Amino acid sequence: NAGVTQTPKFQVLKTGQSMTLQCAQDMNHEYMSWYRQDPGMGLRLIHYSVGAGITDQGEVPNGYNVSRSTTEDFPLRLLSAAPSQTSVYFCASSYDINQPQHFGDGTRLSIL
Amino acid sequence: QKEVEQDPGPLSVPEGAIVSLNCTYSNSAFQYFMWYRQYSRKGPELLMYTYSSGNKEDGRFTAQVDKSSKYISLFIRDSQPSDSATYLCAMSAEDSNYQLIWGAGTKLIIKP
Repeated sequence: NAGVTQTPKFQVLKTGQSMTLQCAQDMNHEYMSWYRQDPGMGLRLIHYSVGAGITDQGEVPNGYNVSRSTTEDFPLRLLSAAPSQTSVYFCASSYDINQPQHFGDGTRLSIL
Repeated sequence: QKEVEQDPGPLSVPEGAIVSLNCTYSNSAFQYFMWYRQYSRKGPELLMYTYSSGNKEDGRFTAQVDKSSKYISLFIRDSQPSDSATYLCAMSAEDSNYQLIWGAGTKLIIKP
């Protein structure tokens, strides 16, 4: 049972490049979410999904897109990377929106 | 002012001591309260989950919620070097769609 798997673990991009951060869970969880973690700040919600085909914006959605075509996968796309998007990105999942979330080990992203 | 305040530390204590970690918050609608532990370069891991006010105990860990004071605490008894990590508090409310609001985390160091 792998839980929540995030790939890649590290990535360096140049300003303006695009990329997709992958997230997969094998717990049959309906709720999935993406957060970013920056020094001195709490985790901030980027986007979330309450089930396949349903997504919604969180606190800091600008510059990011998501889709949820299957229960298992919830990729996060950076459309045109900016230095302000340098951060650690965490994907999380739970049975329902009001249940405790299980986290992956993160993707460390640097934008030059 | 942040919705959830947490002293960043670091908090350094000797092995075997009782540790007290705290968060204060401003939104009286918060109903669900969580404590997560995060080791370096890992994702947050759920430690305690409580609803509304009161105490909850799990092994060496006790979580307290005082809604009248808008204050939550995590106590660790018989602290071990393996407890050295960053501790994150998080909370949510039904009227904000259960979106988690996070503290910035307290770094705890247990000295052998």
